[in-house]
Amino acid sequence: GAVVSQHPSWVICKSGTSVKIECRSLDFQATTMFWYRQFPKQSLMLMATSNEGSKATYEQGVEKDKFLINHASLTLSTLTVTSAHPEDSSFYICSARGGQANYGYTFGSGTRLTVV
Amino acid sequence: QQQVKQSPQSLIVQKGGIPIINCAYENTAFDYFPWYQQFPGKGPALLIAIRPDVSEKKEGRFTISFNKSAKQFSLHIMDSQPGDSATYFCAASILSYNQGGKLIFGQGTELSVKP
Repeated sequence: GAVVSQHPSWVICKSGTSVKIECRSLDFQATTMFWYRQFPKQSLMLMATSNEGSKATYEQGVEKDKFLINHASLTLSTLTVTSAHPEDSSFYICSARGGQANYGYTFGSGTRLTVV
Repeated sequence: QQQVKQSPQSLIVQKGGIPIINCAYENTAFDYFPWYQQFPGKGPALLIAIRPDVSEKKEGRFTISFNKSAKQFSLHIMDSQPGDSATYFCAASILSYNQGGKLIFGQGTELSVKP
C-alpha cells in the first residue's frame, strides 16, 4: 500500500532557530502534498497545499514566510519552520496524494516540534 | 461552507457496544468522505471512505452510513473493543485536482471502550 515517511518524529529546538521537516512518499508519486498542524486534543488544521514544482498555496492566517514549503520532486516535500518560537510548538503532519489511480490521502506519522 | 461538523466530542461505550459518530457538511461539491483513526502521537490512519453515489459501506467492523439529502454521514463500529479506543475524525474533500483536493477535518471524537 501507499506509504508516507515523515522525519523527524520529534524535534526540540531553541527559540529563533529554524527546523526542517521532511515528508517522503516511498512507493508512489505524490503529485500533491498537504501540511497540517494539530494542537493537543484538537483537530488537524490544514496549513498549505503544494503541487510538485509549484509554489504552495497557504490557508488563510498561515504565515508563508514562517512556514516555508518546498515540493521539489514527486516524492519529497519539506516544511521549514523559520525563526521558531514557543507558540510554534505543535504536532505537524504531512499527507500525500498520488495520481488519479490512487486518489486517497496517505498520512505521515507526524512530527512533534517543541520550541524552548 | 468548508466546515465539517462532528459530534459527539467524546464517547464512552462498553466492550461489544456500537459507538456511532456523526458528521454534517454544507458544501454539496464534496465527493469523498473518509473516516480516520488516530492514536496519541501518531498520524491519522484511514479506516473507511465513501463516495456520495452509495448510501452505505462496510469494511470489517466499520460501517459508514451516508445521507446525501441531509448532508450527513456517520461511522458505526460494531462489536467495539478496548483496542478501538482512539480519536476518530471524519473528513471531506473535492477529489478533482483543479479544486485542490484538500481534505477538511471534523473536530474529532475521543472514543473510550471499557472492558
